[in-house]
Amino acid sequence: EVQLVQSGAEVKKPGESLKISCKGSGFSFSGSWIAWVRQMPGKGLEWMGIIYPGDSDTRYSPSFEGQVTISADKSISTAYLQWSSLKASDTAMYYCARVKGLTMDWLDSWGQGALVTVSS
Amino acid sequence: EIVMTQSPATLSVSPGERATLSCRASQSVSSTLAWYQQKPGQAPRLLIYGALTRATGIPARFSGSGSGTEFTLTISSLQSEDFAVYYCQQYNNWPRTFGQGTKVEIK
Repeated sequence: EVQLVQSGAEVKKPGESLKISCKGSGFSFSGSWIAWVRQMPGKGLEWMGIIYPGDSDTRYSPSFEGQVTISADKSISTAYLQWSSLKASDTAMYYCARVKGLTMDWLDSWGQGALVTVSS
Repeated sequence: EIVMTQSPATLSVSPGERATLSCRASQSVSSTLAWYQQKPGQAPRLLIYGALTRATGIPARFSGSGSGTEFTLTISSLQSEDFAVYYCQQYNNWPRTFGQGTKVEIK
């Protein structure tokens, strides 16, 4: 069974750093693309970027380039999303998901989400 | 960036009735379109990809159609578990983009 298990909820202050994780099992993690998706409170889904853990090839959506860093450790089948200096506007639910399709197309399996709250 | 526009924002439907959700792309995306369902407090779930192919385990009452710029998700006979928010997503261009969602609520 394909599973993506994300780290837990976080409460941080503006300016702090944060790294959240997404551990995959039941499939070839290093041979799959993994995406990160943001959902701000009461809003829709936003595709942030993707990573291929096999070689750490990473692609960012323009809105998120320079704002976050996506990384992975294929030895432990885990992808990461990190911030160096959080802002209140980073408050959101963050999902990881497995990407399917020949050209990194749709998202067929999702993690349970990690709620990040940034507040002073 | 391709903008995906979904309509209506909210659809009120009685159980057993048919629901028709629309998704429009700002430029042609061919058939590179997926649909997701999200229930409150849950992660999204893939329903449809390639505009019309149901994902594994998705009931036949869900069907997708369309190509180019106009797409439709049809739920033939709404069940109680189908009341949720539905999103379309294009994968013809980078960045991949989602529509803003259609909420299907009980009438």
